[in-house]
Amino acid sequence: EVQLVESGGGLVQPGGSLRLSCVASGFTFNSYWMTWVRQAPGKGLEWVANIKQDGSGKYYVDSVKGRFTISRDNSNNSLYLQMNSLRVEDTAVYYCARALLQYRFDYWGQGTLVTVSS
Amino acid sequence: DIQMTQSPSSLSASVGDRVTITCRASQSISSYLNWYQQQPGKAPKFLIYAASSLQSGVPSRFSGSGSGTDFTLTISSLQPEDFATYYCQQSYSIPYTFGQGTKLEIK
Repeated sequence: EVQLVESGGGLVQPGGSLRLSCVASGFTFNSYWMTWVRQAPGKGLEWVANIKQDGSGKYYVDSVKGRFTISRDNSNNSLYLQMNSLRVEDTAVYYCARALLQYRFDYWGQGTLVTVSS
Repeated sequence: DIQMTQSPSSLSASVGDRVTITCRASQSISSYLNWYQQQPGKAPKFLIYAASSLQSGVPSRFSGSGSGTDFTLTISSLQPEDFATYYCQQSYSIPYTFGQGTKLEIK
C-alpha cells in the first residue's frame, strides 16, 4: 500500500524558516517524480514544486522561487521542502504527492499545516 | 501561466442525479487535464487523467471528456460519497495549475 506521511508543519513568524518532510512507503520511491501541493485555509489547490527521480530536475511556482527548496533522499525514501523567508500568504496545508509522468498526482499524504503569523 | 476556470463554483444535486462540471483553460492544453475529488478535511483523490481516462479503482459513474480548452467531468448517478469538491488541473506546462474548485452539495 502506498503511503505518504508529512511532518514538520507548525507556527512560524514571518521571515522564519521551516523544513517539511514526507516519508514514502509501499512503492519504489526513486522511480517517481515527487511534488508538493499546498492549500490555504478555505481555498483551492496550488502546485508548489516538483523534483525528478534522481533530484537533477526541480521546478517551482514563481511565488516560492528563491525561498523554497525541494529535495529528496532516495536512500531514506524521503522528500523535503525547505521553506525560508516565510510570508503570511504561505499559510496552508502542505501535501506531498507522488507524480506519474511528472504531472499526474496519484497518491497524496494527509498534509501538514504551516501557519505563518506574528 | 495557464488559468483554469471551473463552473459552476457550487452545485446542489440529489442522490441519483446526473451532474456535469466544466473546466476551461486559458489556452489550449490538448488533453493534459486531470480531475481530483476532495472530501472535507481530507487529501485530494486522483480521479481522471488525460481528460478522459479513469484512474484505477475509480467507479465507472465518473467520466471525463474534452480537449483543447474545454473539458467536462460527469457523474452519471450521484452517490452519497460523491458529495465533495472537485478540481481540474492542467498538466500541459509548469506551473501546473488547478481550477478554483466546484463544491457539490446535497440538495
